[in-house]
Amino acid sequence: EAGVTQSPTHLIKTRGQQVTLRCSPISGHTSVYWYQQALGLGLQFLLWYDEGEERNRGNFPPRFSGRQFPNYSSELNVNALELEDSALYLCASIWGPEAFFGQGTRLTVV
Amino acid sequence: AQSVTQLDSQVPVFEEAPVELRCNYSSSVSVYLFWYVQYPNQGLQLLLKYLSGSTLVKSINGFEAEFNKSQTSFHLRKPSVHISDTAEYFCAVSVKTSYDKVIFGPGTSLSVIP
Repeated sequence: EAGVTQSPTHLIKTRGQQVTLRCSPISGHTSVYWYQQALGLGLQFLLWYDEGEERNRGNFPPRFSGRQFPNYSSELNVNALELEDSALYLCASIWGPEAFFGQGTRLTVV
Repeated sequence: AQSVTQLDSQVPVFEEAPVELRCNYSSSVSVYLFWYVQYPNQGLQLLLKYLSGSTLVKSINGFEAEFNKSQTSFHLRKPSVHISDTAEYFCAVSVKTSYDKVIFGPGTSLSVIP
């Protein structure tokens, strides 16, 4: 069984640009969380998608957004990138109370 | 609201010595508890979990954690660490009545010294 896959693995963007990160959950899982892991700040909850709907979002500005497709894959979009958006972005596929993580996308904003 | 505290941000320990990583949580309702491990430049891997039943849970690589409801703790222990255990360890909680989100502690960096 394939695990959670995220793409790309690494990304370098310039301040002010826009970026899209992608996540495919484990087959059969309909719920996806997105987390930001900036250096020294632990995991910060970004967004929760379930059955195609946004269920909850963390304390992030509106330039962080996303969506979930009918096949339950998900995208995270970040507009107007700032230097402090540099982080590892982790997607988790949810089954009941358990979260299964992908390897993450390392975003560097220069 | 739920929260998770990991009192030790960094724990250095010599190889083959025992280690305990502390985790405390706060919640007004029943919770599920997890420990995740993150090796450098990788995502998080589930190490062990408490969902119900026995309060002592064990992983395949020698770690164990005990759920203590009265002390609202879920400390992680290993009697003898290896170099390969060097990693970041995250304690996490989710609420039984709602799969709203999994709340993570700030993490503990375990460094095993040869």
